[in-house]
Amino acid sequence: AQSVTQPDIHITVSEGASLELRCNYSYGATPYLFWYVQSPGQGLQLLLKYFSGDTLVQGIKGFEAEFKRSQSSFNLRKPSVHWSDAAEYFCAVGVSGGSNYKLTFGKGTLLTVNP
Amino acid sequence: DTGVSQDPRHKITKRGQNVTFRCDPISEHNRLYWYRQTLGQGPEFLTYFQNEAQLEKSRLLSDRFSAERPKGSFSTLEIQRTEQGDSAMYLCASSRRQGARTGELFFGEGSRLTVL
Repeated sequence: AQSVTQPDIHITVSEGASLELRCNYSYGATPYLFWYVQSPGQGLQLLLKYFSGDTLVQGIKGFEAEFKRSQSSFNLRKPSVHWSDAAEYFCAVGVSGGSNYKLTFGKGTLLTVNP
Repeated sequence: DTGVSQDPRHKITKRGQNVTFRCDPISEHNRLYWYRQTLGQGPEFLTYFQNEAQLEKSRLLSDRFSAERPKGSFSTLEIQRTEQGDSAMYLCASSRRQGARTGELFFGEGSRLTVL
């Protein structure tokens, strides 16, 4: 069965610093990979996704992620964090079963941004 | 607001009572999903509809849970004889068919259930 591991439960960075959130997946076939962000009181919002092709994908809000098949990783990065980036971040792997489709999420990484 | 809406946002109930949550998806979306999120966990898939057909149910969805989407528009999730372990955030998401294959799920803000 597919699974997603986000090793860091909580990360604190200073505003303006760079950010990298780790994600490792386990899936037998080529995965579809996603990063979602959840702000307090808000629904999950898709940041970016990877299906195939270029392993470096760009998303909204200045985020990017790199798919590394050899490491089964899909880490999320941002060169300069803003205070508004404080939120919980979820990595997810897409699974296709028959005509259905669903996402398996990691447990999330809570990002705190210090001024 | 043309996003996914869920109602109620918060529900506190006593153990053994029944509760029902409603989800109104984005109007042109024919796929609708229910997820459950507990504290410290990511969302877990519960069930999925394409139009009015319920195409998949997770083993997490016990017999006390039932979901419907009678006319292929809004959906309800009912929990009968609630237990304290049912306390969680229940998330609804919707997508277009093509969107579903590309992970473009649009989530509502969730319905938080607390069972006393």
